[in-house]
Amino acid sequence: GNSVTQMEGPVTLSEEAFLTINCTYTATGYPSLFWYVQYPGEGLQLLLKATKADDKGSNKGFEATYRKETTSFHLEKGSVQVSDSAVYFCALRTNDMRFGAGTRLTVKP
Amino acid sequence: DAMVIQNPRYQVTQFGKPVTLSCSQTLNHNVMYWYQQKSSQAPKLLFHYYDKDFNNEADTPDNFQSRRPNTSFCFLDIRSPGLGDAAMYLCATSRDRYTGTAAYEQYFGPGTRLTVT
Repeated sequence: GNSVTQMEGPVTLSEEAFLTINCTYTATGYPSLFWYVQYPGEGLQLLLKATKADDKGSNKGFEATYRKETTSFHLEKGSVQVSDSAVYFCALRTNDMRFGAGTRLTVKP
Repeated sequence: DAMVIQNPRYQVTQFGKPVTLSCSQTLNHNVMYWYQQKSSQAPKLLFHYYDKDFNNEADTPDNFQSRRPNTSFCFLDIRSPGLGDAAMYLCATSRDRYTGTAAYEQYFGPGTRLTVT
């Protein structure tokens, strides 16, 4: 079945550091891929998406590229801020939505 | 702004006392979902409605029920809450189901945190 494997956390970085959170997937068909962010006590917010191979999703300085050859959708940001501290979920969707386990990011001043 | 609204944000109920959580949407989306999330784990899908068509996940306990009286509203009923049902409950919507070439993103509400005493 479809599944998402996400880099385990927690991840702790200093402000302005480079961020990578790895995500790989297994799926049949043509999934769409998503990154969601969840701030403490809140629901999930869509951060970015990509719907086909080689698409790049981007938002708020975050980027991820849909790599079909490596079945990956790694999240990157060049310079993180304290306000980026949250839990990040990679997800794929065909008939249903499959989430990764989540990666908690803490950014320290 | 179009959005997904959940009320209340925090709900306390007693062990075994029925409780209802509500969700409304102004997006006019066809599909509405209920997820259970514990301790920042991945959300676990309980069931979803495609229009009026109810779809239950195989491992959702019978204790959980849902109603969708119209396009805008969807309710989660927990008939006899146990301590293990304490969690964040997330409502989500999407424009449509997977078509084979298009998979629509889901839009989430802020969640209702349920405490069972």
